[in-house]
Amino acid sequence: NAGVTQTPKFQVLKTGQSMTLQCAQDMNHEYMSWYRQDPGMGLRLIHYSVGAGITDQGEVPNGYNVSRSTTEDFPLRLLSAAPSQTSVYFCASSSDYPVTTDTQYFGPGTRLTVL
Amino acid sequence: SQQGEEDPQALSIQEGENATMNCSYKTSINNLQWYRQNSGRGLVHLILIRSNEREKHSGRLRVTLDTSKKSSSLLITASRAADTASYFCATDGLGFQKLVFGTGTRLLVSP
Repeated sequence: NAGVTQTPKFQVLKTGQSMTLQCAQDMNHEYMSWYRQDPGMGLRLIHYSVGAGITDQGEVPNGYNVSRSTTEDFPLRLLSAAPSQTSVYFCASSSDYPVTTDTQYFGPGTRLTVL
Repeated sequence: SQQGEEDPQALSIQEGENATMNCSYKTSINNLQWYRQNSGRGLVHLILIRSNEREKHSGRLRVTLDTSKKSSSLLITASRAADTASYFCATDGLGFQKLVFGTGTRLLVSP
């Protein structure tokens, strides 16, 4: 199993550009989530999904969209990039409910810089 | 807002010494987890402790939980250079589908 994969590893955007961060898992996990990690802030939950077709907001959802059309994929879309979205983005998945009783498996991260 | 805060922010020790880091959180929880993050990598799950448990062990790791003080500690015994990483606690204080992470402790273990 590849586990949780994320692409790209690095990305530089200009303010106002849009892009999609890709996340895929091959463990047949129902729960997937996106976090951003900023220095001194730990990880903050952006959006999560408890299964295909079901998504919900986390702590910091503004400026981001998600969809979950398949169990395997959970892309994160930046609609109009802003410098405040410069961060490292992590995707995670887990198999059980409630998710907070189960191990989260993390991807390697995408380092995004918005100029 | 951050649910958990780790203390200290940074810790530097020698190989063979024990490392203790603490996590404080704000709201009632059902579970608390600890994760490790090596530089430039994703997080790796270490251990989960439930609110009705006071102590849990896994190899060289010992976790305690004091729900009356809303705090947890992670003890790594006989540290190795490979333990150098950041350590995060995570709780379910914002709802059972939302895992909320603390700010982390950076541990440096010198040979």
